[in-house]
Amino acid sequence: NAGVTQTPKFQVLKTGQSMTLQCAQDMNHNSMYWYRQDPGMGLRLIYYSASEGTTDKGEVPNGYNVSRLNKREFSLRLESAAPSQTSVYFCASKKHPGVDEQFFGPGTRLTVL
Amino acid sequence: GENVEQHPSTLSVQEGDSAVIKCTYSDSASNYFPWYKQELGKRPQLIIDIRSNVGEKKDQRIAVTLNKTAKHFSLHITETQPEDSAVYFCAASISYGQNFVFGPGTRLSVLP
Repeated sequence: NAGVTQTPKFQVLKTGQSMTLQCAQDMNHNSMYWYRQDPGMGLRLIYYSASEGTTDKGEVPNGYNVSRLNKREFSLRLESAAPSQTSVYFCASKKHPGVDEQFFGPGTRLTVL
Repeated sequence: GENVEQHPSTLSVQEGDSAVIKCTYSDSASNYFPWYKQELGKRPQLIIDIRSNVGEKKDQRIAVTLNKTAKHFSLHITETQPEDSAVYFCAASISYGQNFVFGPGTRLSVLP
């Protein structure tokens, strides 16, 4: 099993450009998450999907949209990138909505100029 | 909403010594507390977790203690080794693990 995979690994954007970060898991997990990680601020939840067909906002959803394409895939879209969105983005998944380990992807390092 | 504080932000210990990282949370409804380890340039990985109905849990050199009354929990690493050097994140969940609120992290350095 590949676990949780993310593409791309690195990306540089100019202010105002758009892009989609892709995430896929092959563990048959129900719940998927998008976090951003900034120095000294830990991991902050952007959006999550408790199960296929549902999505909900997390702590910092402004400027982002998500799509739960199917059970395996959960994408994060930046419609008009801003320098404040420069960060490392992690996708995560877990089997059940309840108490359970979250498995993280390798991360995407995004720089917005 | 839930707020998780974590101290210290950086910690240096000599190899073989113990390390303790403390977290406090604000929402008394929180009931699940995982700890994640993140090595430089890598993804966070779960190292230990504890549920609100348990006061302490151990796994070899790692232990976590929970004080629900005081709303704080701690990670204890004994006999530290260089490979323990990493950033450690605590987290709290108010919905039995659905969503986590993470602390800001502690950078642990184990000096040879």
